[in-house]
Amino acid sequence: AQKVTQAQTEISVVEKEDVTLDCVYETRDTTYYLFWYKQPPSGELVFLIRRNSFDEQNEISGRYSWNFQKSTSSFNFTITASQVVDSAVYFCALSLKSKLTFGKGITLSVRP
Amino acid sequence: GAGVSQTPSNKVTEKGKYVELRCDPISGHTALYWYRQSLGQGPEFLIYFQGTGAADDSGLPNDRFFAVRPEGSVSTLKIQRTERGDSAVYLCASSFRGGGLYNEQFFGPGTRLTVL
Repeated sequence: AQKVTQAQTEISVVEKEDVTLDCVYETRDTTYYLFWYKQPPSGELVFLIRRNSFDEQNEISGRYSWNFQKSTSSFNFTITASQVVDSAVYFCALSLKSKLTFGKGITLSVRP
Repeated sequence: GAGVSQTPSNKVTEKGKYVELRCDPISGHTALYWYRQSLGQGPEFLIYFQGTGAADDSGLPNDRFFAVRPEGSVSTLKIQRTERGDSAVYLCASSFRGGGLYNEQFFGPGTRLTVL
C-alpha cells in the first residue's frame, strides 16, 4: 500500500519569507513519481513540480525548489520570497500505476 | 486551449436520489480520472479510464458508483441512491497518455455534490 503524509496542517508566514512544506511517502515500488499540486481558493488543482524515483537531483525553478531524498522517503518543497498569491492548499502526491495518492494538504497563508 | 470542464459546478440532491456528473477532458487526452475530495482532505482516487475502458476502478467505494466513457472522450460519473456521506467535491482529471507514471494530470474545477 502507498501513503503520503503531510504532517504540517497550517503554516502562516509574512510576505517575502521562505517557507518549506514537508512530505513523507511510503511505497514498496521502486519506480514512482512524486508531485506537488497547489489548490487556490478557486478550488482547481494546479500542477507545480514532478520528480521521478531515479533522479534525486534537487532543482530550482523560479521561486520554487524541492529536496528529494530517497533515504528518508521525503520530498520537501520550498517557496522562496513568498507572496500573498502563494496562499493556497498544497498537496504532495505519489504516482503509482497512473493513479495519484495525495496527502491531506498543507494550508499556507501568506500575510502582507 | 480549453482545460478540463465539469458540469454542473454545484449539485444539491436529496438522499436516495440518482445523480450524474459530467467531465469533458482536454481534447486529445486519452486518459481520464475521477477523484473525490472531502472537506479538509486530499483527493482520493475513484476510477481511471484509458480510452473507453475502465483500466482501474479500485477506488469506487461501492456498487452505487459507476462511471462510463462510451466514446473515449466525455465521461459521466453516476451515483445511485445517494447518501449524505457522498457529499464531496468530485474532481475529474485528464492526461495525454495513461498507464505511465510520468503523465501530468490536468484537473477540472470539480463538481460540489451536496446530499441533503
